[in-house]
Amino acid sequence: EAGVVQSPRYKIIEKKQPVAFWCNPISGHNTLYWYLQNLGQGPELLIRYENEEAVDDSQLPKDRFSAERLKGVDSTLKIQPAELGDSAVYLCASSQGDTQYFGPGTRLTVL
Amino acid sequence: SQQGEEDPQALSIQEGENATMNCSYKTSINNLQWYRQNSGRGLVHLILIRSNEREKHSGRLRVTLDTSKKSSSLLITASRAADTASYFCAHGSSNTGKLIFGQGTTLQVKP
Repeated sequence: EAGVVQSPRYKIIEKKQPVAFWCNPISGHNTLYWYLQNLGQGPELLIRYENEEAVDDSQLPKDRFSAERLKGVDSTLKIQPAELGDSAVYLCASSQGDTQYFGPGTRLTVL
Repeated sequence: SQQGEEDPQALSIQEGENATMNCSYKTSINNLQWYRQNSGRGLVHLILIRSNEREKHSGRLRVTLDTSKKSSSLLITASRAADTASYFCAHGSSNTGKLIFGQGTTLQVKP
């Protein structure tokens, strides 16, 4: 069974540029999560989807971040415009129950 | 902050020794989970213990949960060099349904 797929694995952009991350969850997993992980820290939830619906986006900085999960499968997380402080690893996870399965993450560097 | 705390932040041991990591949290929980993260990779689920359980085993892993003290411990017995990684506890809040991660313990197992 394929795991959670994320792309790209690495992204380097200049500040004020837009960037997008893509996630394909495990087949059949209705719940999808986007997390932000800073160096030396644990993941922090940005947004959680149940199928197509964003049920928890309280930690998503909505002035510059947006996410969508069309058709309740793949998801895209976008930052526009990116700031220096957005440099981090962006993790996607999916679940069918309590256990979450993580993708390898996208490491974003904003110069 | 609802984020859990882990102790120690870093641990270095010899192969064959046991490693113990501790985790504390502040909210009411449904479950507590432990994840492992190898450098540059996503998180891998290790074990889940529910709030009505006190101890759980999985291979060389032993997890305890003390809800009265709001704490948990992860014991890795007979450690191997391949156990070198960061270990995160995450508690499932019964109030919000979120999974809240601690800051992690970095374990180094020397061959």
